[in-house]
Amino acid sequence: ELKVEQNPLFLSMQEGKNYTIYCNYSTTSDRLYWYRQDPGKSLESLFVLLSNGAVKQEGRLMASLDTKARLSTLHITAAVHDLSATYFCAVDASGTYKYIFGTGTRLKVLA
Amino acid sequence: GAVVSQHPSWVICKSGTSVKIECRSLDFQATTMFWYRQFPKQSLMLMATSNEGSKATYEQGVEKDKFLINHASLTLSTLTVTSAHPEDSSFYICSAPPRTLFSYEQYFGPGTRLTVT
Repeated sequence: ELKVEQNPLFLSMQEGKNYTIYCNYSTTSDRLYWYRQDPGKSLESLFVLLSNGAVKQEGRLMASLDTKARLSTLHITAAVHDLSATYFCAVDASGTYKYIFGTGTRLKVLA
Repeated sequence: GAVVSQHPSWVICKSGTSVKIECRSLDFQATTMFWYRQFPKQSLMLMATSNEGSKATYEQGVEKDKFLINHASLTLSTLTVTSAHPEDSSFYICSAPPRTLFSYEQYFGPGTRLTVT
Protein backbone atom coordinates (compact mmCIF):
# COMPACT_ATOMS: atom_id res chain seq x y z
CA GLU A 1 0.00 0.00 0.00
CA LEU A 2 1.36 3.35 -1.02
CA LYS A 3 2.07 5.71 1.83
CA VAL A 4 2.91 9.36 1.48
CA GLU A 5 4.34 11.20 4.43
CA GLN A 6 5.17 14.83 4.85
CA ASN A 7 7.24 16.57 7.41
CA PRO A 8 6.92 18.67 9.25
CA LEU A 9 3.19 18.52 9.92
CA PHE A 10 3.21 22.01 11.33
CA LEU A 11 5.57 24.80 10.55
CA SER A 12 5.63 28.23 12.06
CA MET A 13 8.23 30.52 10.61
CA GLN A 14 9.19 34.14 10.55
CA GLU A 15 8.82 36.25 7.46
CA GLY A 16 11.99 36.37 5.44
CA LYS A 17 13.19 32.93 6.50
CA ASN A 18 13.78 29.88 4.33
CA TYR A 19 12.47 26.41 4.96
CA THR A 20 11.90 23.07 3.27
CA ILE A 21 8.94 20.73 3.41
CA TYR A 22 9.64 17.08 2.68
CA CYS A 23 7.43 14.52 1.03
CA ASN A 24 8.40 10.84 1.21
CA TYR A 25 6.52 8.10 -0.55
CA SER A 26 6.80 4.35 -0.33
CA THR A 27 6.27 3.10 -3.91
CA THR A 28 7.94 3.96 -7.18
CA SER A 29 6.26 6.83 -8.96
CA ASP A 30 7.21 9.37 -11.58
CA ARG A 31 4.28 11.67 -10.95
CA LEU A 32 4.20 13.94 -7.98
CA TYR A 33 2.11 17.01 -7.38
CA TRP A 34 2.14 19.86 -4.91
CA TYR A 35 -1.00 21.70 -3.86
CA ARG A 36 -1.88 24.56 -1.63
CA GLN A 37 -5.09 24.64 0.38
CA ASP A 38 -6.46 27.68 2.15
CA PRO A 39 -8.96 27.21 4.99
CA GLY A 40 -12.38 26.23 3.71
CA LYS A 41 -11.17 26.01 0.13
CA SER A 42 -10.31 23.31 -2.34
CA LEU A 43 -6.88 22.65 -3.80
CA GLU A 44 -4.76 25.08 -5.77
CA SER A 45 -2.20 23.46 -8.01
CA LEU A 46 1.38 24.54 -7.43
CA PHE A 47 3.68 22.11 -9.23
CA VAL A 48 3.60 19.02 -11.40
CA LEU A 49 6.78 16.93 -11.27
CA LEU A 50 7.00 14.17 -13.82
CA SER A 51 10.55 12.86 -13.86
CA ASN A 52 13.55 12.20 -11.72
CA GLY A 53 15.49 15.37 -11.11
CA ALA A 54 12.61 17.63 -12.06
CA VAL A 55 12.83 21.06 -10.51
CA LYS A 56 10.23 23.77 -10.83
CA GLN A 57 10.05 27.23 -9.38
CA GLU A 58 7.30 29.77 -9.02
CA GLY A 59 7.93 32.88 -7.02
CA ARG A 60 9.19 32.00 -3.57
CA LEU A 61 8.44 28.29 -3.97
CA MET A 62 10.62 25.66 -5.57
CA ALA A 63 9.83 21.97 -5.84
CA SER A 64 12.06 19.08 -6.74
CA LEU A 65 11.69 15.36 -7.25
CA ASP A 66 14.12 12.53 -6.60
CA THR A 67 12.38 9.35 -7.71
CA LYS A 68 15.24 7.12 -6.63
CA ALA A 69 15.04 8.38 -3.09
CA ARG A 70 11.23 8.60 -3.36
CA LEU A 71 11.47 12.12 -2.07
CA SER A 72 10.13 15.47 -3.11
CA THR A 73 10.88 18.79 -1.49
CA LEU A 74 9.07 22.10 -1.46
CA HIS A 75 11.46 24.89 -0.61
CA ILE A 76 10.24 28.25 0.60
CA THR A 77 12.51 31.21 0.13
CA ALA A 78 12.09 34.42 2.11
CA ALA A 79 8.66 33.53 3.38
CA VAL A 80 5.87 36.07 3.40
CA HIS A 81 2.61 36.02 5.32
CA ASP A 82 0.60 35.25 2.17
CA LEU A 83 2.22 31.85 1.99
CA SER A 84 0.39 30.77 5.13
CA ALA A 85 -1.69 27.74 4.11
CA THR A 86 -1.67 23.95 4.17
CA TYR A 87 0.54 22.29 1.58
CA PHE A 88 -0.05 18.80 0.27
CA CYS A 89 2.00 16.58 -1.94
CA ALA A 90 0.19 13.89 -3.89
CA VAL A 91 1.49 10.83 -5.69
CA ASP A 92 -0.03 9.06 -8.67
CA ALA A 93 1.77 5.74 -8.53
CA SER A 94 -0.44 3.89 -10.95
CA GLY A 95 -0.74 6.59 -13.57
CA THR A 96 -4.52 6.47 -13.25
CA TYR A 97 -4.99 9.83 -11.53
CA LYS A 98 -5.90 8.09 -8.29
CA TYR A 99 -3.92 10.41 -6.11
CA ILE A 100 -2.63 9.46 -2.71
CA PHE A 101 -2.16 12.61 -0.70
CA GLY A 102 0.49 13.30 1.86
CA THR A 103 -0.37 14.09 5.43
CA GLY A 104 -0.16 17.82 4.75
CA THR A 105 2.00 20.58 6.22
CA ARG A 106 0.28 23.47 7.90
CA LEU A 107 2.44 26.53 7.39
CA LYS A 108 2.06 29.72 9.34
CA VAL A 109 4.26 32.65 8.45
CA LEU A 110 4.53 35.18 11.21
CA ALA A 111 4.91 38.83 10.37
CA GLY B 1 -11.52 29.52 -15.15
CA ALA B 2 -12.98 26.59 -13.24
CA VAL B 3 -13.26 23.40 -15.22
CA VAL B 4 -14.98 21.31 -12.55
CA SER B 5 -17.90 22.59 -10.51
CA GLN B 6 -19.69 21.18 -7.50
CA HIS B 7 -23.14 21.80 -6.12
CA PRO B 8 -24.00 22.64 -3.47
CA SER B 9 -20.93 24.26 -1.98
CA TRP B 10 -22.33 23.82 1.50
CA VAL B 11 -25.16 21.71 2.86
CA ILE B 12 -26.59 20.96 6.27
CA CYS B 13 -28.81 17.95 6.73
CA LYS B 14 -30.37 16.10 9.62
CA SER B 15 -29.14 12.77 10.80
CA GLY B 16 -30.83 9.92 8.96
CA THR B 17 -31.57 11.84 5.80
CA SER B 18 -29.82 11.58 2.45
CA VAL B 19 -28.00 14.29 0.59
CA LYS B 20 -26.82 14.46 -3.02
CA ILE B 21 -23.72 16.26 -4.20
CA GLU B 22 -23.15 17.01 -7.87
CA CYS B 23 -19.85 17.23 -9.71
CA ARG B 24 -19.83 18.64 -13.24
CA SER B 25 -17.12 18.93 -15.80
CA LEU B 26 -17.44 22.19 -17.65
CA ASP B 27 -16.86 22.28 -21.40
CA PHE B 28 -15.33 18.82 -21.51
CA GLN B 29 -16.35 15.23 -21.15
CA ALA B 30 -15.12 13.20 -18.24
CA THR B 31 -15.68 9.47 -18.46
CA THR B 32 -13.97 9.13 -15.11
CA MET B 33 -14.24 11.28 -12.03
CA PHE B 34 -12.93 10.81 -8.52
CA TRP B 35 -14.42 11.55 -5.14
CA TYR B 36 -12.28 12.50 -2.17
CA ARG B 37 -13.21 13.15 1.43
CA GLN B 38 -11.39 15.42 3.81
CA PHE B 39 -12.11 15.54 7.51
CA PRO B 40 -11.23 18.74 9.38
CA LYS B 41 -7.51 19.31 9.63
CA GLN B 42 -6.77 16.06 7.84
CA SER B 43 -5.59 15.04 4.42
CA LEU B 44 -7.68 14.05 1.43
CA MET B 45 -8.66 10.42 1.08
CA LEU B 46 -9.78 8.89 -2.18
CA MET B 47 -13.22 7.39 -1.72
CA ALA B 48 -14.18 6.09 -5.13
CA THR B 49 -13.79 6.26 -8.87
CA SER B 50 -16.89 7.23 -10.78
CA ASN B 51 -17.15 5.62 -14.21
CA GLU B 52 -19.57 6.85 -16.84
CA GLY B 53 -21.99 4.13 -17.80
CA SER B 54 -20.76 1.58 -15.29
CA LYS B 55 -20.51 0.96 -11.60
CA ALA B 56 -18.27 3.03 -9.42
CA THR B 57 -15.25 1.40 -7.85
CA TYR B 58 -14.74 2.06 -4.18
CA GLU B 59 -11.57 2.21 -2.15
CA GLN B 60 -11.09 -0.19 0.68
CA GLY B 61 -13.09 0.73 3.73
CA VAL B 62 -15.62 2.91 1.92
CA GLU B 63 -19.20 1.67 2.25
CA LYS B 64 -20.67 1.48 -1.22
CA ASP B 65 -24.22 1.26 0.09
CA LYS B 66 -23.77 4.43 2.06
CA PHE B 67 -22.01 6.48 -0.57
CA LEU B 68 -23.93 5.98 -3.79
CA ILE B 69 -22.21 7.21 -6.90
CA ASN B 70 -23.91 7.72 -10.22
CA HIS B 71 -22.17 8.86 -13.40
CA ALA B 72 -25.11 9.07 -15.73
CA SER B 73 -23.63 11.43 -18.28
CA LEU B 74 -20.22 12.43 -19.57
CA THR B 75 -20.29 15.66 -17.60
CA LEU B 76 -22.01 14.74 -14.34
CA SER B 77 -21.21 12.52 -11.41
CA THR B 78 -23.27 12.51 -8.25
CA LEU B 79 -22.45 11.33 -4.77
CA THR B 80 -25.37 10.56 -2.50
CA VAL B 81 -24.69 10.15 1.18
CA THR B 82 -27.48 7.94 2.44
CA SER B 83 -28.74 7.87 6.01
CA ALA B 84 -26.23 10.50 6.94
CA HIS B 85 -24.74 10.61 10.41
CA PRO B 86 -22.71 13.31 12.13
CA GLU B 87 -19.52 11.35 11.44
CA ASP B 88 -20.18 11.82 7.73
CA SER B 89 -19.68 15.54 8.16
CA SER B 90 -16.74 16.34 5.95
CA PHE B 91 -15.47 18.26 2.94
CA TYR B 92 -16.14 16.31 -0.25
CA ILE B 93 -14.06 17.14 -3.31
CA CYS B 94 -14.43 15.69 -6.77
CA SER B 95 -11.88 15.68 -9.55
CA ALA B 96 -11.59 14.85 -13.21
CA PRO B 97 -8.56 13.74 -15.23
CA PRO B 98 -7.08 16.16 -17.76
CA ARG B 99 -8.76 16.89 -21.03
CA THR B 100 -5.76 16.16 -23.19
CA LEU B 101 -3.07 13.53 -23.42
CA PHE B 102 -0.41 16.19 -22.96
CA SER B 103 -1.50 17.28 -19.53
CA TYR B 104 -0.88 15.17 -16.46
CA GLU B 105 -2.76 17.20 -13.96
CA GLN B 106 -6.32 16.58 -13.00
CA TYR B 107 -8.85 19.23 -12.12
CA PHE B 108 -10.29 19.50 -8.65
CA GLY B 109 -13.71 20.89 -7.90
CA PRO B 110 -14.27 23.62 -5.32
CA GLY B 111 -15.58 21.14 -2.75
CA THR B 112 -18.82 20.62 -0.85
CA ARG B 113 -18.94 21.00 2.89
CA LEU B 114 -21.44 18.63 4.47
CA THR B 115 -22.61 19.12 8.01
CA VAL B 116 -24.90 16.49 9.52
CA THR B 117 -26.73 17.56 12.64
